[in-house]
Amino acid sequence: QSVLTQPPSVSGAPGQRVTISCTGSSSNIGAGSDVHWYQQLPGTAPKLLIYGNNNRPSRVPDRFSGSKSGASASLAITGLQAEDEADYYCQSYDSSLSGSVFGTGTKVTVL
Amino acid sequence: EVQLVQSGAEVKKPGESLKISCKGSGYRFNSYWIAWVRQMPGKGLEWMGIIYPGDSETRYSPSFQGQVTISVDKSINTAYLQWSSLKASDTATYYCARSLFRTSSGYFDYWGQGSLVTVSS
Repeated sequence: QSVLTQPPSVSGAPGQRVTISCTGSSSNIGAGSDVHWYQQLPGTAPKLLIYGNNNRPSRVPDRFSGSKSGASASLAITGLQAEDEADYYCQSYDSSLSGSVFGTGTKVTVL
Repeated sequence: EVQLVQSGAEVKKPGESLKISCKGSGYRFNSYWIAWVRQMPGKGLEWMGIIYPGDSETRYSPSFQGQVTISVDKSINTAYLQWSSLKASDTATYYCARSLFRTSSGYFDYWGQGSLVTVSS
């Protein structure tokens, strides 16, 4: 049972901008814990997309960006491409569980 | 090149034991935490627990405490996840992933390819 809530799905046409929300609580994101994002393409292992709320590994295009405010965070994808069709997960640290937690996951569909 | 290479797919019967592995290379194995993550068929990611190879400090998610054992053999740069008595509900893909920190700054920058465990009578 995840403590980070994401919308089950979002969709957009090629070139559009989509956002994915990640809602936590006072024991994780709201407590100041960083939020990280992962992309999981079909049949493959997750890959790090955003770390420390808004930082991108060098291999990740700048179409992907992250933000955090209060007990929530968001991932934005601009200039949506067919290759972005995947599942996306947020992750943070929960002090009440003394461990990491993942979001419920969001499937991005490119129309 | 950093790599985490996991052991292959397993098919087991309920009640059997199992130990899967995750071998790290291309970095200082003792200095990074190794986490295990479960993904049941068609479902999301679940953090199971984490171990620090340097001193074997281990933390478990409350959901998995007592259900699995996480261990490490730092002499061969390998972390393990084991079950003493498998259930059908353990059917899932299990990933290992490395992290520099255990707490609020801890993200998983490299992942293994996943080990599919199927438990069926």
